[in-house]
Amino acid sequence: NAGVMQNPRHLVRRRGQEARLRCSPMKGHSHVYWYRQLPEEGLKFMVYLQKENIIDESGMPKERFSAEFPKEGPSILRIQQVVRGDSAAYFCASSPPGQGSYGYTFGSGTRLTVV
Amino acid sequence: RKEVEQDPGPFNVPEGATVAFNCTYSNSASQSFFWYRQDCRKEPKLLMSVYSSGNEDGRFTAQLNRASQYISLLIRDSKLSDSATYLCVVNMRDTGRRALTFGSGTRLQVQP
Repeated sequence: NAGVMQNPRHLVRRRGQEARLRCSPMKGHSHVYWYRQLPEEGLKFMVYLQKENIIDESGMPKERFSAEFPKEGPSILRIQQVVRGDSAAYFCASSPPGQGSYGYTFGSGTRLTVV
Repeated sequence: RKEVEQDPGPFNVPEGATVAFNCTYSNSASQSFFWYRQDCRKEPKLLMSVYSSGNEDGRFTAQLNRASQYISLLIRDSKLSDSATYLCVVNMRDTGRRALTFGSGTRLQVQP
């Protein structure tokens, strides 16, 4: 049973380019959460999604960031026109329905570097 | 005020020592509480859930004081492998947020 799969593990983008981060939840998990961790800081919640629905995006920056979790395929976190301040580790977690915070499993993260 | 506050440390302790970490949270209606462990540049991993009655898992003991909005983690007989950052985590569902809120972490360095 594969865990939460994130790819790529490392991503380098030039300022102004787009970054696409992918997250495949564990089998049987229908809830996906994205977190961002800036260097030397804690994890900050960004967005919570279920299949085809954004449930809570209160932590998402208003501009340039978007997320989706389509019926088929992985969840995608998209950052348009990246800036140096977007450099961070982006972690995805998934949980099964009904377990809420007790069923969290994190992926290994994508480390985004903007040059 | 941060929603979840922790002393960043680092705590430098010798092998075999007992060390305690504390955490406070701002939302009195928070429902679920956890300690996670994060090794350098890796994903957080659940160490243990925290219950009002207190709970123990081997060398690790967690306590929750709802009246004081305070969570603690005690590590006995520290091992070199315990060196990591310990994250205090709270679920604040009453705020409408359904995701976990993380503290910034307390770094532990166990020395030989």
